[in-house]
Amino acid sequence: GDSVTQMEGPVTLSEEAFLTINCTYTATGYPSLFWYVQYPGEGLQLLLKATKADDKGSNKGFEATYRKETTSFHLEKGSVQVSDSAVYFCALSDPGGGADGLTFGKGTHLIIQP
Amino acid sequence: NAGVMQNPRHLVRRRGQEARLRCSPMKGHSHVYWYRQLPEEGLKFMVYLQKENIIDESGMPKERFSAEFPKEGPSILRIQQVVRGDSAAYFCASSTKGGTSWAEQYFGPGTRLTVT
Repeated sequence: GDSVTQMEGPVTLSEEAFLTINCTYTATGYPSLFWYVQYPGEGLQLLLKATKADDKGSNKGFEATYRKETTSFHLEKGSVQVSDSAVYFCALSDPGGGADGLTFGKGTHLIIQP
Repeated sequence: NAGVMQNPRHLVRRRGQEARLRCSPMKGHSHVYWYRQLPEEGLKFMVYLQKENIIDESGMPKERFSAEFPKEGPSILRIQQVVRGDSAAYFCASSTKGGTSWAEQYFGPGTRLTVT
C-alpha cells in the first residue's frame, strides 16, 4: 500500500535558519503530494501541494518540489520565524491507486527559538 | 464562511461506553472524511462519505466503529463499547469533490477522545 516517511522530530532551529524537512513516499498510482501544518490545538491546514512530477509548490516562503525519480517531496524555507513553530505533515493522495483518503507521514514537530 | 466544525472538542468516556463524534462540513461541501491520530502517529484514514452513502470504509476497524452522513445534519462517527486503545484525536475533513477528482480537504479542529 501507499506510505509516507518523513524525518523524525523535534527539529529545533534558531530564527532565520534554513529549514529542510525530508519526505519520501511510495505509491501504486500517480499521487498528488501535500504538506500540511498543524498549530497547537488546531486542525490541519494545507500549506502547499504539487500534483505532478517536477511541480513546485510554494506558500508563505515554504517550497517543495515533486521529485518522481527520488520519490521525494522535501519541504524547505530559507529563513524560519518563531511563528513557523508547528507540526508539519507530508501527505499524498492516490485515488487512482484505490485509496480515497490522504496518506500521512507521522509528522515533524518544528521548534523555532528566538 | 465557517470552517469545518467538530464537537465536542474533548470527550471523556469510561470503558464500555459509547462515543459519538460530530462533524459539520463547510458550506457547499458534500464529501466528508474521518481520520484518527494516535499518540506519536500521523493521521490514518478511516472512512469517506458522501450524503447518505459510505464510499470507502477501508480504514475503519471491523467492529464497534460506524459512520454516517445523513441527508440533513452533521456526519457522525460512532464508537461502541470504547476501549483504552480508542483514545486518540479524531479529525474530520470536508471537500467539494472526491474519488478521482481531487479537491482540497479542509480539516476541523478535531475531537480528542480519552477513554478511562
